[in-house]
Amino acid sequence: AQSVTQPDIHITVSEGASLELRCNYSYGATPYLFWYVQSPGQGLQLLLKYFSGDTLVQGIKGFEAEFKRSQSSFNLRKPSVHWSDAAEYFCAVPYQKVTFGTGTKLQVIP
Amino acid sequence: DTAVSQTPKYLVTQMGNDKSIKCEQNLGHDTMYWYKQDSKKFLKIMFSYNNKELIINETVPNRFSPKSPDKAHLNLHINSLELGDSAVYFCASSAKSPGSSGNTIYFGEGSWLTVV
Repeated sequence: AQSVTQPDIHITVSEGASLELRCNYSYGATPYLFWYVQSPGQGLQLLLKYFSGDTLVQGIKGFEAEFKRSQSSFNLRKPSVHWSDAAEYFCAVPYQKVTFGTGTKLQVIP
Repeated sequence: DTAVSQTPKYLVTQMGNDKSIKCEQNLGHDTMYWYKQDSKKFLKIMFSYNNKELIINETVPNRFSPKSPDKAHLNLHINSLELGDSAVYFCASSAKSPGSSGNTIYFGEGSWLTVV
């Protein structure tokens, strides 16, 4: 069965620093992959998605993610983090029941 | 206009009560979902409807009953509420069926249910 793993439960970065959130997937074929963000007290917002084609995907709010088949990864990146990026980030595989990772909580310090 | 809207956003109720959460999507999608997010932020699907037909029914207590009067609405009714039902419930929708190529799922803002 397909699954996603987010190894980092909690990450703290300084404002203005770069960010990389890890996501590893387990799936037999080429997966479709999503990243969602959940701000405190808010719903889930789709940041970006990968279906096929270019392995570097651009999303909203300055985020991007790169699909690497050799590493079974779909890591989320942002070159310069803003305080408003503090949130919970979820990687997801949108098959059948849409399996979500356990989430990574991002804390941004001044 | 909100694409997927659910009401109420916050609900505090006593054990044993019956409550409903309503969901509406104006995206013209054929599929709707209910997800539960527990206190550890873990998201798990509960139900999915496609054109008013139940297509995913995870192992949830039968106190939880979804109802889809039309494909734009999917309500969740919960009987005899228990403390463990406290969670955030998310409604979502997608244009295609779960597992379809290119299927993107859009979520509502969530309903925070607290059972006391």
